[in-house]
Amino acid sequence: GAVVSQHPSWVICKSGTSVKIECRSLDFQATTMFWYRQFPKQSLMLMATSNEGSKATYEQGVEKDKFLINHASLTLSTLTVTSAHPEDSSFYICSARGGTSGRAETQYFGPGTRLLVL
Amino acid sequence: AQTVTQSQPEMSVQEAETVTLSCTYDTSESDYYLFWYKQPPSRQMILVIRQEAYKQQNATENRFSVNFQKAAKSFSLKISDSQLGDAAMYFCAYRSVNFGNEKLTFGTGTRLTIIP
Repeated sequence: GAVVSQHPSWVICKSGTSVKIECRSLDFQATTMFWYRQFPKQSLMLMATSNEGSKATYEQGVEKDKFLINHASLTLSTLTVTSAHPEDSSFYICSARGGTSGRAETQYFGPGTRLLVL
Repeated sequence: AQTVTQSQPEMSVQEAETVTLSCTYDTSESDYYLFWYKQPPSRQMILVIRQEAYKQQNATENRFSVNFQKAAKSFSLKISDSQLGDAAMYFCAYRSVNFGNEKLTFGTGTRLTIIP
């Protein structure tokens, strides 16, 4: 149980285009999803937290107009990188947790999406 | 704000031996969760073990166990009988129990190499 998928696993795009990454919880309802960014040989940096049906909460320094997050259902969240530039190239990871209390389940992670902007 | 520190960027251990990875954290909260996640070369984050701060008993999961010292704010991971498949980056993470503040704060990671 507690499987999270991401699609696509790899994406290469031209500078100036937009890219959408999907994150799905396959066997549980994810009330909260998280989006992380990871640079090579570094730790995960939280970009934003999204709760189903409400606006995402972005971490300081993350441009919400550039990284659009939608959490329209209890099993799907999307991250859209708008007008991508080479500096947006990175590894993007989502995680999901279920439940509605602070003691709810652990965060379970997707396999990540590698984005390369040319 | 909470911080998590992993002071060992790299560690190595002989196969079948035991290794301990260190983690310290800083928080003003009295109740929280602590986690160890493993990230192998595939980059899939895998939960290794978790500890609830209000529980005094150290968590164990097969060959993995923790030494949780709440007063010292220390949370080390011990891997017994190390196996080649244990080679990975290991991240220590902190999470508040407060609803609405469930984000994970990660340490910088420790790269574990298993020597055959």
